[in-house]
Amino acid sequence: AQSVTQLDSQVPVFEEAPVELRCNYSSSVSVYLFWYVQYPNQGLQLLLKYLSGSTLVKGINGFEAEFNKSQTSFHLRKPSVHISDTAEYFCAVSDRDGYGQNFVFGPGTRLSVLP
Amino acid sequence: KAGVTQTPRYLIKTRGQQVTLSCSPISGHRSVSWYQQTPGQGLQFLFEYFSETQRNKGNFPGRFSGRQFSNSRSEMNVSTLELGDSALYLCASSIRRQGDGYTFGSGTRLTVV
Repeated sequence: AQSVTQLDSQVPVFEEAPVELRCNYSSSVSVYLFWYVQYPNQGLQLLLKYLSGSTLVKGINGFEAEFNKSQTSFHLRKPSVHISDTAEYFCAVSDRDGYGQNFVFGPGTRLSVLP
Repeated sequence: KAGVTQTPRYLIKTRGQQVTLSCSPISGHRSVSWYQQTPGQGLQFLFEYFSETQRNKGNFPGRFSGRQFSNSRSEMNVSTLELGDSALYLCASSIRRQGDGYTFGSGTRLTVV
């Protein structure tokens, strides 16, 4: 079974500063990796995903993530954040079957962008 | 195209009552999954329906049930509500293709008093 760790429950950062949200996973099989964002009172929206190929994945809203198999990590980065990026971010991992209990979310990281 | 639609958005119920939540998936998506989200437990998988059949089930008591109709719309039901059932209930639909992941609705905020 897969599991996901998001090391930081909260990350405050000033506007226009870079940010990295950390995600580590454990799995005994090949995985797919996802980052979702949740704005207040909304559902989750897909930011980006890694399926195979290039380890650097670009997503929406200027976010990108890098898959590192040796470190079992999939950290999310943005070079310059905006106030509107304030939200909760969830890392998720799935095996190749990829649904139900095989799609596991991390506990989330709350990003607060300060003016 | 229309996204995943959940109704109602907000609901207040009394302990002991039952509640039914509704989810209409994206057109063409035959898989509907339900999640419970709380501050303490995060996102917890409830169950998944595909082509009107329950395909997966999480670790929730039998008070939580669901069903899916022939048009892929899904309902979940919680009977004998407890205070701890207060949560955001999220519905997610998928075409269930490897690597596609989910598209989520905006959720139903259930408060049990």
